[in-house]
Amino acid sequence: DQQVKQNSPSLSVQEGRISILNCDYTNSMFDYFLWYKKYPAEGPTFLISISSIKDKNEDGRFTVFLNKSAKHLSLHIVPSQPGDSAVYFCAATDSGTYKYIFGTGTRLKVLA
Amino acid sequence: ETGVTQSPTHLIKTRGQQVTLRCSSQSGHNTVSWYQQALGQGPQFIFQYYREEENGRGNFPPRFSGLQFPNYSSELNVNALELDDSALYLCASSYLGGNQPQHFGDGTRLSIL
Repeated sequence: DQQVKQNSPSLSVQEGRISILNCDYTNSMFDYFLWYKKYPAEGPTFLISISSIKDKNEDGRFTVFLNKSAKHLSLHIVPSQPGDSAVYFCAATDSGTYKYIFGTGTRLKVLA
Repeated sequence: ETGVTQSPTHLIKTRGQQVTLRCSSQSGHNTVSWYQQALGQGPQFIFQYYREEENGRGNFPPRFSGLQFPNYSSELNVNALELDDSALYLCASSYLGGNQPQHFGDGTRLSIL
C-alpha cells in the first residue's frame, strides 16, 4: 500500500523553463510534506517543506503547492538550471509520528 | 555546523552474517531515524530513536535493531543477513519538536553475497 506516489519516474526540461514535479498521497492524517533532492552517491538533501495549514511555500526558485482536497502536492522550479538535475523525492508525515513516508522519486534532467 | 556522517560508506557481507552501521547526528539534533533504500525505490522507514529509546518502528523484523548513545550518535544492527537486505542505509537526524526537517547522511551501501 503506497501512501505517497510519484507517478512520473522521469522528466526532462529545457534550461530556464519551469520544472513541475508532482506527488499524490492517500493518508489524510499526513500534515507535513517535504521535498528532497538526491544526487548519485549522496544522501537526500532537504529542499523545501510545507505544513498542511498552508497551501503554498516559496524559497527562492523553489515553490511547493499543497492541494489538501485532492491530496496532491507539487514542486515548481523556476527557472530550471542544469545543476537541478537530480532525483527528487517527496515525503509526507503525520507529525505525531515523525515517520517519513517517501515516494519512489522523479529523475529530473535539465537540458542546457 | 557538522552534518550527519555515516560509516562505513560501503560494506560487503555474506548471508547469515551480522552487521553494524554507524551514524553521527548533526549537532543540536536529538533524534535519529534510519531508512533503507532499495534500488529504484524511495527510502523506507526502519525506526527512530529519541532519548536513547526507540520512538517508532516501520515494517522491519526484529533482526533489525538499533541504539542511540548519550551524544546522540546511533548504530543500526542487522542480524542473520539476507540477500534482500542489500540496499543503501540512510541515517537522518532532526530536532524533535515542531515541524523540523530530517537531515540525511550519505548512507552506507550494504551488499549481501
